[in-house]
Amino acid sequence: SQTIHQWPATLVQPVGSPLSLECTVEGTSNPNLYWYRQAAGRGLQLLFYSVGIGQISSEVPQNLSASRPQDRQFILSSKKLLLSDSGFYLCAWVLSGRGHEQYFGPGTRLTVT
Amino acid sequence: AQSVTQPDIHITVSEGASLELRCNYSYGATPYLFWYVQSPGQGLQLLLKYFSGDTLVQGIKGFEAEFKRSQSSFNLRKPSVHWSDAAEYFCASTTSGTYKYIFGTGTRLKVLA
Repeated sequence: SQTIHQWPATLVQPVGSPLSLECTVEGTSNPNLYWYRQAAGRGLQLLFYSVGIGQISSEVPQNLSASRPQDRQFILSSKKLLLSDSGFYLCAWVLSGRGHEQYFGPGTRLTVT
Repeated sequence: AQSVTQPDIHITVSEGASLELRCNYSYGATPYLFWYVQSPGQGLQLLLKYFSGDTLVQGIKGFEAEFKRSQSSFNLRKPSVHWSDAAEYFCASTTSGTYKYIFGTGTRLKVLA
């Protein structure tokens, strides 16, 4: 069966510090991968998605970036965090192709102080 | 533009009562539709999905949803709510022509004992 992991689970970082969040998927190959951000009491904002190694599509221009160094690994990064980057970050995977259901990881709670 | 609307931000029901959460979509093509549930501090769990065929779909935890093309709706129902159903519920959609998923803003369900 497939599983998706995210770490860390929680993170408190000062403004201006760097960020690296990791997402890995097990039990499937060539998944589509997604990063979402969920602000308190808000819906999901799509940040990035990837349909293959090295292929990243950005949905929201901001100080975040994403990379996919391996087939089942998706990394969200920032060089300098802003207060507005605080939120709950969710990674999701989908079977290769279009129109399939998404499966979500447990999320990372980021607080920027 | 494609959109998913959940008109109810909050809903409160008594335990044992029936439940219906509304979802309306706006798509030119036939959408693939999903309902997810999120408990506080956790990721999203897939409840059910509609791709095609029978318009009444059954999901996990006793939930069902009905696709009504004429009303552009995909409402989630449960005949008898349990206290453990208290959570936030998200409706989502995609089509075969995109890798992106559109989420509603969510409905927070409170269950009274």
